Amino acid sequence: EPEVTQTPSHQVTQMGQEVILRCVPISNHLYFYWYRQILGQKVEFLVSFYNNEISEKSEIFDDQFSVERPDGSNFTLKIRSTKLEDSAMYFCASIPILLAGGENEQFFGPGTRLTVL
Amino acid sequence: DAKTTQPPSMDCAEGRAANLPCNHSTISGNEYVYWYRQIHSQGPQYIIHGLKNNETNEMASLIITEDRKSSTLILPHATLRDTAVYYCIVSLTAGTALIFGKGTTLSVSS
Repeated sequence: EPEVTQTPSHQVTQMGQEVILRCVPISNHLYFYWYRQILGQKVEFLVSFYNNEISEKSEIFDDQFSVERPDGSNFTLKIRSTKLEDSAMYFCASIPILLAGGENEQFFGPGTRLTVL
Repeated sequence: DAKTTQPPSMDCAEGRAANLPCNHSTISGNEYVYWYRQIHSQGPQYIIHGLKNNETNEMASLIITEDRKSSTLILPHATLRDTAVYYCIVSLTAGTALIFGKGTTLSVSS
């Protein structure tokens, strides 16, 4: 069964450094999402992306964050200058196409654990 | 903020039915009820969704009250692998951002 993959599984970085988290969505999917989950807290929406544009973003997704689909398969989240509070699990998700009738389950990847020291 | 209210935790014996309630009293007429679960720290996993009618799939059943202000997810024969955090989410479609609450931590024991 096709699945969303994410690399690396764990990333450790120093405060102030740039990080790029990578996701490979399911091959025929067109809508992409990033969520994060700080340890012990809720899963929070960051951004959605369709047709090479941001569709929706949350207040968390400030100028330090950016997303890109550099080729036909990868979907990346870049954090320009990491802060301690960026430490979290970051989940990528995708759906194939928007259908009527609510038939749009989001397929989540296994996540990347980001640790900022 | 999440538009749903769920109990923080529930216990269930293995092999028994797990009934997880959710209140969504402010749901609007065109919003769906979705259920996802998160096992340990893995990515959330879709379970089921519904609008008005009760729904069943290979994983679970979803019972939505007639006024749509609450729903119940039923796992008919819970196993240890069903131990997870279960999230009830109200959304126009799952294509829009999913707004997660704190969910219900279901603990299944033998």
